Amino acid sequence: NAGVTQTPKFQVLKTGQSMTLQCAQDMNHNSMYWYRQDPGMGLRLIYYSASEGTTDKGEVPNGYNVSRLNKREFSLRLESAAPSQTSVYFCASSGVGQASYEQYFGPGTRLTVT
Amino acid sequence: GEDVEQSLFLSVREGDSSVINCTYTDSSSTYLYWYKQEPGAGLQLLTYIFSNMDMKQDQRLTVLLNKKDKHLSLRIADTQTGDSAIYFCAEDLMNRDDKIIFGKGTRLHILP
Repeated sequence: NAGVTQTPKFQVLKTGQSMTLQCAQDMNHNSMYWYRQDPGMGLRLIYYSASEGTTDKGEVPNGYNVSRLNKREFSLRLESAAPSQTSVYFCASSGVGQASYEQYFGPGTRLTVT
Repeated sequence: GEDVEQSLFLSVREGDSSVINCTYTDSSSTYLYWYKQEPGAGLQLLTYIFSNMDMKQDQRLTVLLNKKDKHLSLRIADTQTGDSAIYFCAEDLMNRDDKIIFGKGTRLHILP
């Protein structure tokens, strides 16, 4: 049981390049999330998916797109990276368990946009 | 609006108790969480409390909830060097369809 996995762990992009951050969970959770964490800002929700086939915007969705490929996988895409998107990105999932809203987080992806 | 606030830094001597405080604004939250983030690692759910509870104890951790004042605290007894981390308070909003609001995090520094 790997929990929540994310790839890659580190990435450097040039302004204007695109990339997709991958996330997968093996806990049969319904809900999945993408957060970004910036110094002094705490975690901010980018997008979330309450169930397979649905996605919703969070607090800071601009510049991102997501795909809930199936129940296990939730990817985050940057179509045209900007320096303001330099951050650490965390994927999380929740939905099954004693407290159904417990969130389980991946290890994070550190993205630098130059 | 939705807001979760906590102080940014706390320094505690090894062996003393640490108390990390948090305030939230939305009274409809059902669960309140404490997450721990160690350097280079993802967030780890440390403990949680259901909104109809006043207190929850789990080994060295004690969570106190004052729902009237919307105040949540995390007490770590016998603080150790391994407790050095950033601690995030978060509130769960049932009416937001699984949306969770996080505070900015409190960095706990352990003094020798």
